[in-house]
Amino acid sequence: AQKITQTQPGMFVQEKEAVTLDCTYDTSDQSYGLFWYKQPSSGEMIFLIYQGSYDEQNATEGRYSLNFQKARKSANLVISASQLGDSAMYFCAMSFTGGGNKLTFGTGTQLKVEL
Amino acid sequence: GAVVSQHPSWVICKSGTSVKIECRSLDFQATTMFWYRQFPKQSLMLMATSNEGSKATYEQGVEKDKFLINHASLTLSTLTVTSAHPEDSSFYICSAPRTGLNNEQFFGPGTRLTVL
Repeated sequence: AQKITQTQPGMFVQEKEAVTLDCTYDTSDQSYGLFWYKQPSSGEMIFLIYQGSYDEQNATEGRYSLNFQKARKSANLVISASQLGDSAMYFCAMSFTGGGNKLTFGTGTQLKVEL
Repeated sequence: GAVVSQHPSWVICKSGTSVKIECRSLDFQATTMFWYRQFPKQSLMLMATSNEGSKATYEQGVEKDKFLINHASLTLSTLTVTSAHPEDSSFYICSAPRTGLNNEQFFGPGTRLTVL
C-alpha cells in the first residue's frame, strides 16, 4: 500500500521568502508519480508540479520546485519568493503504475504568507 | 488546459432525499474518473473509480448502494448520494486523468453537499 506523510499541519512564511513543505512517501513500487496540489479556500484543486520516479532531475515549474530525494523517499515542495496569494492548503499526492492513476493524498499543510 | 466541470457547485437537501452530482470532462475523453470526498480541514479520500462502460470500483468502507456511480459516456460520470443523511454532508470532488500528460489529474471545482 502507498502512504503519503506530511508532517507540517501549518506553516508561516513572510512575503518574498522561500518556504519548503515536507512530503515523505512509502511504497514498494518502482514506478510511481508524485504530485503537489494547491487548494485555496474556494476548494478547487490546482496542479502545481509533477515528479516521476525515474526522472533524474528535480522538477521545476516557475516558482515551484520539487526536491526529490528518492533514497530518502521524500518529495518536498519549495516555493520561492512567496506571495500573499500562495496562502492555501497544499497536498502532496502519489500515483503508482498499476494503480489505475488514482491518487493517494497526504494530510496537507496549511500555508499562510504574511506581510 | 484541460477542464473538468461539476454540477451543481453546492446543494442543500432534506434528509432522506437523493442527490445527483455530475462530473464532465469538457475537452478530453476520460474512460476513468475518480470521486473523492473531503471533510472540513481534512484531506481528500478516494471513494471510487468510475469506469466508462463497466461497474465502478469502490474503495474499502464505501457503501456502493449508498453512493451510486454511473459513467454514462466518455465525458460524463455521475455520483448519486441515495437517501442522504446529515453525516453525508461533505465536499465531493471528481477528477479525470488525461493520458500522456504524466497522467495528470484534472479536478472539478467540487460540490458542497449539505444535508439537513
